[in-house]
Parts: sequence; C-alpha cells; structure tokens
Amino acid sequence: DAGVIQSPRHEVTEMGQEVTLRCKPISGHDYLFWYRQTMMRGLELLIYFNNNVPIDDSGMPEDRFSAKMPNASFSTLKIQPSEPRDSAVYFCASSVSRDNTEAFFGQGTRLTVV
Amino acid sequence: AQKITQTQPGMFVQEKEAVTLDCTYDTSDPSYGLFWYKQPSSGEMIFLIYQGSYDQQNATEGRYSLNFQKARKSANLVISASQLGDSAMYFCAMREGHALQAGTALIFGKGTTLSVSS
Repeated sequence: DAGVIQSPRHEVTEMGQEVTLRCKPISGHDYLFWYRQTMMRGLELLIYFNNNVPIDDSGMPEDRFSAKMPNASFSTLKIQPSEPRDSAVYFCASSVSRDNTEAFFGQGTRLTVV
Repeated sequence: AQKITQTQPGMFVQEKEAVTLDCTYDTSDPSYGLFWYKQPSSGEMIFLIYQGSYDQQNATEGRYSLNFQKARKSANLVISASQLGDSAMYFCAMREGHALQAGTALIFGKGTTLSVSS
C-alpha cells in the first residue's frame, strides 16, 4: 500500500482565497483524522471520521473550516476564506479499529497564506 | 487540563548514551493506549511504540522502550544507545477508550526536541 496520500504537498495562497486539502487514506482503514501542526499550538486534532461519518469536529477552529468524506477513499479539508493565521502543516492520518494499532500519517500539506 | 504533558521542550544527549523523554497523561478512562511518534526535520510522523493500559509489561521495540508507570500516569520513552539519526521531535499521544468505540482519536503532547551529538 502507498500509505496515506495527501495533496498538495505545498500550497501558497493569498488571504481570502479558498483552499482545499485532499487526503486518500490507507485502504481498509475506517478512521480518518485531520490534524494541524503549528509551532505555537503543536499538533491539534481538527476533526475525525469513522466509516465516513464525522464523529467529532470540536477541534475545527471556525466556520471557515469544513471537512468532508464522501467515500472511504477520499476526504477534503476546506478553508474559505483563508487567513494568514491558517498557515500551518496539515496532516491527514488513518487507522483501523484495533486498540494496539497506530494511526498512519500522510506527508502533510504545508499551507502558507500571504 | 492538558491530556498529555511533555515537560521537556529540548533534550541533549551524546551518541551511544541512553536518554529518557518524559510524558504524563490525564484520563479517567480505565482503557487507553499510549503512543510515541518521531518527527524528523523532514516532517513525516513515524510511529515508534505502543503501550496499552492493561498491558502488564513495558513495551519494547528495538532500542525503544516505554517506562509505563500506571499509578503515576507516566509513559516515558527510553532510547538506548542514541544515534545521530535519533535527532528529531518526539511526540507522546494517547487514545482514550477502546479503538472500537466511535469516539476515540489520538491526542498529542507538545513534543520534545532531541538533539544527539557526536
């Protein structure tokens, strides 16, 4: 398996623009997580899905952020409109429903909003 | 209250020495899992080791071992015989409850930066 695939790897956009980050989880994994990493706040859980259903989106910072998982092999995280403080590395991770199994992370998307 | 606390922002160690990275956690759930990840400067998240709350023995994976002290709610990572390639950020994480429950996710600490010198 190719692992968790995120695209794009890097994104530079202007303030006010819409940004869409994409994630393909590992086949057969029933959990999908979106995290945001910044120097100040570390790794924050934004939202996660179980069997394509959003379970907890309490980490989503504002209404400008939205996430979807239309099927088991694809998820998006959208920011509209983007702001400079959204600049961060966004990670997608997936896992299976077993206690001793780790979450597998994608390579991350480095977002810069100017 | 923070669920995962890593009190050491940075640690320095010489090659071939052992180093302990501290992690304490806070949960009232009797079932939980503890994880350590490594993030080198390239940015990827690499899983290192797992400890379940009901595991009787400390977890070990090669040069990594987890010093699990349940009563103290600590799960320190021990790296033996440090290598230059161990220089990275290390994150402790916890998942509360059983993985089969829908309401579980990994929550991470702030991380510890480890620098290994020759």
